Amino acid sequence: DQQVKQNSPSLSVQEGRISILNCDYTNSMFDYFLWYKKYPAEGPTFLISISSIKDKNEDGRFTVFLNKSAKHLSLHIVPSQPGDSAVYFCAAEGDDKIIFGKGTRLHILP
Amino acid sequence: NAGVTQTPKFQVLKTGQSMTLQCAQDMNHNSMYWYRQDPGMGLRLIYYSASEGTTDKGEVPNGYNVSRLNKREFSLRLESAAPSQTSVYFCASRISGGSSTDTQYFGPGTRLTVL
Repeated sequence: DQQVKQNSPSLSVQEGRISILNCDYTNSMFDYFLWYKKYPAEGPTFLISISSIKDKNEDGRFTVFLNKSAKHLSLHIVPSQPGDSAVYFCAAEGDDKIIFGKGTRLHILP
Repeated sequence: NAGVTQTPKFQVLKTGQSMTLQCAQDMNHNSMYWYRQDPGMGLRLIYYSASEGTTDKGEVPNGYNVSRLNKREFSLRLESAAPSQTSVYFCASRISGGSSTDTQYFGPGTRLTVL
């Protein structure tokens, strides 16, 4: 039973446009959500996070939105750049758990 | 500051062999974690150590043991490797113990193949 779902295995976006990556969760006890970025042959690196008491957090080109009633969060990247091509993992924490989604591979097209 | 380091980077084992994956961090973090990542899967937590002297099971602990040797080092041991343990293993650390709002820092991974 997947508690954190990233339903799009991959996404292609034109350079300069907006990339939107989605994540759904099922456990209402999760109280903190994070996005990690991973390049091949490297470990994941932290990108941005959001607490369950907020609905938006912004850091430069990256914004995370949280809709608690829908148990849904999304990561917006504007504008998308070639270096954004990577795998993005959504993670949820709470209820003594840390659960990662399966990841979405983002391709930024020239 | 090396961050989180893992050794070895690559390893091939035969079924039934044992080995220990090493992890060390130089950030004075309290909590350390071991994950595995399989193709098409997210990272799954194997074991974690909220603080020096404590270890707890994660989502997929079967077939593994861990040792929190000191504050810096957290090792993962496979006593009798099985092909199902072929995976990429990541170690991570972060400042606080338990459920926390600070981020984890990951090592570069160990790619393990069990034949």
